[in-house]
Formats: sequence, C-alpha cells, structure tokens
Amino acid sequence: QQQVKQSPQSLIVQKGGISIINCAYENTAFDYFPWYQQFPGKGPALLIAIRPDVSEKKEGRFTISFNKSAKQFSLHIMDSQPGDSATYFCAATPLGGGYQKVTFGTGTKLQVIP
Amino acid sequence: DTGVSQDPRHKITKRGQNVTFRCDPISEHNRLYWYRQTLGQGPEFLTYFQNEAQLEKSRLLSDRFSAERPKGSFSTLEIQRTEQGDSAMYLCASSLGTIQETQYFGPGTRLLVL
Repeated sequence: QQQVKQSPQSLIVQKGGISIINCAYENTAFDYFPWYQQFPGKGPALLIAIRPDVSEKKEGRFTISFNKSAKQFSLHIMDSQPGDSATYFCAATPLGGGYQKVTFGTGTKLQVIP
Repeated sequence: DTGVSQDPRHKITKRGQNVTFRCDPISEHNRLYWYRQTLGQGPEFLTYFQNEAQLEKSRLLSDRFSAERPKGSFSTLEIQRTEQGDSAMYLCASSLGTIQETQYFGPGTRLLVL
C-alpha cells in the first residue's frame, strides 16, 4: 500500500526556473514530512523537513508548502541549477513511538538543463 | 570519512546462495535502520535497531532475511537462499536517537541475483 504519493515521476527544468514536486499522504498519524535528495550511487540525504503546524518552510532556494486539510505538501526549488539534478523523495513519518519509521514516496527525477 | 559506511558496495550472486551485508553507522548513533530500494521506487523500511535490540521488522522481511547488531555498533543483514526478486539496493541509515532526528544514509549495497 503506497501511503505517500508523489508526482511527477520526472521533471525537466531550465536553469533558473522553478521546480515543483507534489506529494499527498493518507495516514493522519504522519506528523513529520522530510524531503530527501539522492544522487546516483549515493544514499538519500535530508534536504529540508516540515511539521504540520506550519504551512511553509524555506531554506535557501528550497521551500516546502504544506496543506494539512488536503493532506498535501510540495517542494519548490527556486532558481534551479544543474547541480540540483537528482532524484527527490518526499517522505512522511509519525513522531510517536520514539523513532522515525520513514515512509518514502516513489521519487521524482529532476533534470536541470543549462 | 565519518559517515555511514556499507560493505560491499556491489554484490552479484546466483539464485539460492546466501549473502551478507555490513553496515557501520556513525559512531555515536544508537539507532540503525535497514531499507530496501528497487529501481524507480523510494526506499522501503525493513527493520530498526535501538542499540543491539531489534525493535521492529517490516513484513517485507521474510524468514530468509535476518539482521543483527551484536554489540550495538555495526549491523549485518543476511539473505538466505536468494531469489531474483531480492535484487535491489539495500540501504542502511543511522540516527542519534532524539525526537525529530535526522537519519543519515549510507551509500547502499546493490545486490543482483542471477
């Protein structure tokens, strides 16, 4: 059962453009939403994360928008650069239980072209 | 390099053989996770250790899979009687063990079962 749905599967953006990746979740127990970036041959690395008590979080060129009532969240990459070309995974986890069992989306392969 | 390390990075085996993977977490991290990632998918949770105790196992972890963390440091994941469906990237992650923690992933072990 896919608990976190992610779209699009792939994305091509020109340098300087805005990359937008969308995710939706079903499990209302999720209350922490990280985004991971994965380069080929590497493990995923945490990029940015949000709690549902805020609607937006910004770190540099990366912004998460969160809509709790719709159970949707999205990643915006402003001024996209070729170095941002990677696969991006949204994820969700319940904080209860004392540890984070992360449920990942299916990933979006981003290509930023010069 | 003080990150999470995994060994081997690549493994090719024949169906029916046993394989063992090793994960060395970041030294002060007491939580360790194993995930499996197939092509085009996000990582899927397999199992979790708090120090040497295995506290949760996914139903994805069949009886052919066993994981250990004998002294609360490194961990091993063994697959017995491998099947072609076991071909995947096996990722290890570790974390410090606090609320809203970050999981740091290793580079993974890519398994191909012929």
